[in-house]
Amino acid sequence: GENVEQHPSTLSVQEGDSAVIKCTYSDSASNYFPWYKQELGKGPQLIIDIRSNVGEKKDQRIAVTLNKTAKHFSLHITETQPEDSAVYFCAVGRVQGAQKLVFGQGTRLTINP
Amino acid sequence: NAGVMQNPRHLVRRRGQEARLRCSPMKGHSHVYWYRQLPEEGLKFMVYLQKENIIDESGMPKERFSAEFPKEGPSILRIQQVVRGDSAAYFCASSLTGGGYPHNEQFFGPGTRLTVL
Repeated sequence: GENVEQHPSTLSVQEGDSAVIKCTYSDSASNYFPWYKQELGKGPQLIIDIRSNVGEKKDQRIAVTLNKTAKHFSLHITETQPEDSAVYFCAVGRVQGAQKLVFGQGTRLTINP
Repeated sequence: NAGVMQNPRHLVRRRGQEARLRCSPMKGHSHVYWYRQLPEEGLKFMVYLQKENIIDESGMPKERFSAEFPKEGPSILRIQQVVRGDSAAYFCASSLTGGGYPHNEQFFGPGTRLTVL
């Protein structure tokens, strides 16, 4: 089955700096890569996703890049703000059909003012 | 437009009791997924259901756990004879269809935190 590894497990950056979180996956058939943000006591919230027919996608301060050959993808947050502090999860799935998502272990991001 | 609803938000049970977790999907969504999150870990898939059908239960423990999504009413995750190892946050997600992106995008509820004493 699919195996997803996420690094780092914790990340602390100064407000205004950039943050990068990386994930690798094992199943070359996977083609859907969402990123979720989870705040304390809440459920995961989708913040951005990418499909394997695209190498990069950007939404304001958030971007995701995908290297399909190497089977890894990354989340980039620029100009970080205190409200970006949360746990971020990558996930892997399939575009076709409603399939289960396989999640990474999570990254606890702390933005220092 | 209400999101995915889960109740109760917190549930305390003693060992050997039953736990019932409920999930109401987003309006118009007919696909429901259950995930379990242990402390400091990612979410692990348990089961995927459509109305009146279990589609994929590959992540469900073989014993004590069951799930249903009846024609009317919420989806229910039932854990019989709970043990301390069942303590976790249980999240439900829903999607509009199973017909492919973006309609299979999963939206998560706030979760039920189960504590087994």
